Amino acid sequence: AQTVTQSQPEMSVQEAETVTLSCTYDTSESDYYLFWYKQPPSRQMILVIRQEAYKQQNATENRFSVNFQKAAKSFSLKISDSQLGDAAMYFCAYSKGSSNTGKLIFGQGTTLQVKP
Amino acid sequence: NAGVTQTPKFQVLKTGQSMTLQCAQDMNHEYMSWYRQDPGMGLRLIHYSVGAGITDQGEVPNGYNVSRSTTEDFPLRLLSAAPSQTSVYFCASSRGLAGISNEQFFGPGTRLTVL
Repeated sequence: AQTVTQSQPEMSVQEAETVTLSCTYDTSESDYYLFWYKQPPSRQMILVIRQEAYKQQNATENRFSVNFQKAAKSFSLKISDSQLGDAAMYFCAYSKGSSNTGKLIFGQGTTLQVKP
Repeated sequence: NAGVTQTPKFQVLKTGQSMTLQCAQDMNHEYMSWYRQDPGMGLRLIHYSVGAGITDQGEVPNGYNVSRSTTEDFPLRLLSAAPSQTSVYFCASSRGLAGISNEQFFGPGTRLTVL
């Protein structure tokens, strides 16, 4: 069975600094997708960034980038130039690619605090 | 497009009561899912559907029923609520095409408290 682990329950960063959130996963599949979702206090789940396992290049979306290490089964999220609006809970998630049933397996979440 | 909508936003039940959480999407998505979110455990899949008339169990299906009579709607039923079902419930939908990323679009969630 696939699992996703986020070992950092809480992280904090100074505004304008850079922070990295960790995620590891376990799977025997070769075709899969990885995601980072942001959940602000409003509770809405917002997709931040996605990575296809077959792509070696790390995904980037503006200030958000990932470090995808397929052999190590690691998928960390880097937030550059942190802003107060980045304060939220962040979830790492995995989805099998081949069956494409849309089922997501989530990690436990990391609460990010941004200090002014 | 309204996206994925859920009603109600908040609900308080007494143990043993039944209720239905409503979920609808207007994006013509084939796949729909229900998750529950509990502190320290992330989101866990309850039930999912790959199309009208087809449903299957996820990781934590006990105590919940679903059906999917239309593409748009995917209600979640609690037949006899228990305090262990106190949680935040999310409905999500995604396109049913192979070979693309399985991005799921989430509803705003329902906070359910069972006393």
